[in-house]
Amino acid sequence: DSGVTQTPKHLITATGQRVTLRCSPRSGDLSVYWYQQSLDQGLQFLIQYYNGEERAKGNILERFSAQQFPDLHSELNLSSLELGDSALYFCASSVTGLAGGTDTQYFGPGTRLTVL
Amino acid sequence: ELKVEQNPLFLSMQEGKNYTIYCNYSTTSDRLYWYRQDPGKSLESLFVLLSNGAVKQEGRLMASLDTKARLSTLHITAAVHDLSATYFCAVDVTSGTYKYIFGTGTRLKVLA
Repeated sequence: DSGVTQTPKHLITATGQRVTLRCSPRSGDLSVYWYQQSLDQGLQFLIQYYNGEERAKGNILERFSAQQFPDLHSELNLSSLELGDSALYFCASSVTGLAGGTDTQYFGPGTRLTVL
Repeated sequence: ELKVEQNPLFLSMQEGKNYTIYCNYSTTSDRLYWYRQDPGKSLESLFVLLSNGAVKQEGRLMASLDTKARLSTLHITAAVHDLSATYFCAVDVTSGTYKYIFGTGTRLKVLA
């Protein structure tokens, strides 16, 4: 158990809908990262937040957004869902996540999203 | 464009044997990461390598980095069945537009 929790574990929805994925980092970790894993795209880094502020942005679509709240949990919002958004979404947390650092990232169990 | 290539994509090996997984990347990067993923499971961080010549070891796994060759290797010593997993490398670049790119992964199967 990494100490990172994600809810829900599974989510099935229809095209055009909007969903919210939630991530709670390990106690004491200030950074949260979001990743997408699909058969087509492989593993992709989406976005990182550090202590409530966006730190780094990867291949996150404009239809997707994220935020980190004062209690450090994070939410990933996916809207206008398409079939191709079906994937595993992982979050991870680390202590700092500062540029040039070597923090170990601890991964949550993931949310499997299926868009029908 | 930052590209990360791993080879081999699939690796089947006997217990007790040694082997190396290679990770090549196309542009100068800041950090090189190795991850492990068991089937149906999440990711586990293995190593973060920063500088040229960096070497890190954990049990039967040893990772090294040659920034001049833009190459990292993950060496497996005396493989055991429990090492069966998919291994990913990733690199990031913090100068300019941030980039964090994963390799395609190497699926390792260790046969008893």
